[in-house]
Amino acid sequence: GENVEQHPSTLSVQEGDSAVIKCTYSDSASNYFPWYKQELGKRPQLIIDIRSNVGEKKDQRIAVTLNKTAKHFSLHITETQPEDSAVYFCAAIPNYGGSQGNLIFGKGTKLSVKP
Amino acid sequence: NAGVTQTPKFRVLKTGQSMTLLCAQDMNHEYMYWYRQDPGMGLRLIHYSVGEGTTAKGEVPDGYNVSRLKKQNFLLGLESAAPSQTSVYFCASSPGTSGSVGNEQYFGPGTRLTVT
Repeated sequence: GENVEQHPSTLSVQEGDSAVIKCTYSDSASNYFPWYKQELGKRPQLIIDIRSNVGEKKDQRIAVTLNKTAKHFSLHITETQPEDSAVYFCAAIPNYGGSQGNLIFGKGTKLSVKP
Repeated sequence: NAGVTQTPKFRVLKTGQSMTLLCAQDMNHEYMYWYRQDPGMGLRLIHYSVGEGTTAKGEVPDGYNVSRLKKQNFLLGLESAAPSQTSVYFCASSPGTSGSVGNEQYFGPGTRLTVT
């Protein structure tokens, strides 16, 4: 089955710097890759997602890139701000012969942005 | 429009007690999910439902049961709680899938359960 690995588990950056979180997946048929942000004590919320027919997607300071050949996708946050501090989860949906699977989550990255 | 709500927010159980967690959504979503979140483990799927009257096992179903008698509600039951079930439980819902492509999952606020 699908396996999603996420690195690093913790990341500390200075305000204004960029942050990059990388995930790898095992099932080459996976076709949907969302990123969720979870602030302390809150629920996970979708911040950006990418589908397998697209290589890159951007939304203001956040971008996601997908490399299907290497089976990895990355979250890029530019000009980080203290409010970006949270745990970020990547996920993938495997595709079993045309039948949609369920989201498989990475273990999360705790991002700390220091003012 | 409340989105996804969960009841209760907090609960402390003794080993062997039972309880039911309630999830409700008002977005007319077909799919609903129950996850548990433990430190360093991410979100793990317990059970899910692809429509009213249907349920299926996820990654970690042992010790839990679910029911989806109404489209808007998804119940998670613990028949005999164990300390290993101490966790934060999240419910989520999604419109389902459009063809072979996934859709956003909307999460509830979570239930913090402690089993002593």
